[in-house]
Amino acid sequence: KQEVTQIPAALSVPEGENLVLNCSFTDSAIYNLQWFRQDPGKGLTSLLLIQSSQREQTSGRLNASLDKSSGRSTLYIAASQPGDSATYLCAAILMTQGGSEKLVFGKGMKLTVNP
Amino acid sequence: DAGVIQSPRHEVTEMGQEVTLRCKPISGHNSLFWYRQTMMRGLELLIYFNNNVPIDDSGMPEDRFSAKMPNASFSTLKIQPSEPRDSAVYFCASSDQGYGYTFGSGTRLTVV
Repeated sequence: KQEVTQIPAALSVPEGENLVLNCSFTDSAIYNLQWFRQDPGKGLTSLLLIQSSQREQTSGRLNASLDKSSGRSTLYIAASQPGDSATYLCAAILMTQGGSEKLVFGKGMKLTVNP
Repeated sequence: DAGVIQSPRHEVTEMGQEVTLRCKPISGHNSLFWYRQTMMRGLELLIYFNNNVPIDDSGMPEDRFSAKMPNASFSTLKIQPSEPRDSAVYFCASSDQGYGYTFGSGTRLTVV
């Protein structure tokens, strides 16, 4: 059974720091991996999708990498801002035997960026 | 595209009542998922559909929960009868296989 782990569960940093958020998964046979952001009381917003043939994706100040062999993904946030404060969730996308996809989430990491 | 649309945004109901949550996926997406989120358990997959067909409902907690997808543009999640422990945020998500997932804004359900 695929398990996704995010450590630590919470992080508080001063504005301007470069951050590394970690995600690990137990089964290297994942299909894709997606990072989401969730603001309090809101839904999930997709940040980056790393497809099976890719090793990393970039969007603005965000960069996500994927290493299937070691079971790890990293989300890098450059020059953090108070507006980056949110819960960040990592999700492993699996391909089932029936040929459809299934998403397995980590429990998330709550980030607070202090001005 | 307006994204994944869920209704209602908030629902407060009394224990024992029937609750129906609704979802309109993104046009062209062939998979639809229902999730439940609580502080204690995080995000839990309840059921998912592929091309309108239920593929895996092993996450549906009890027979009180049922879901349907009568066509590619609409799905419902029904709880009958509702109980206080069903209080949670229920999310619907859709995907075009291989291109990631898009989530709706969720329905916050409170059963009193």
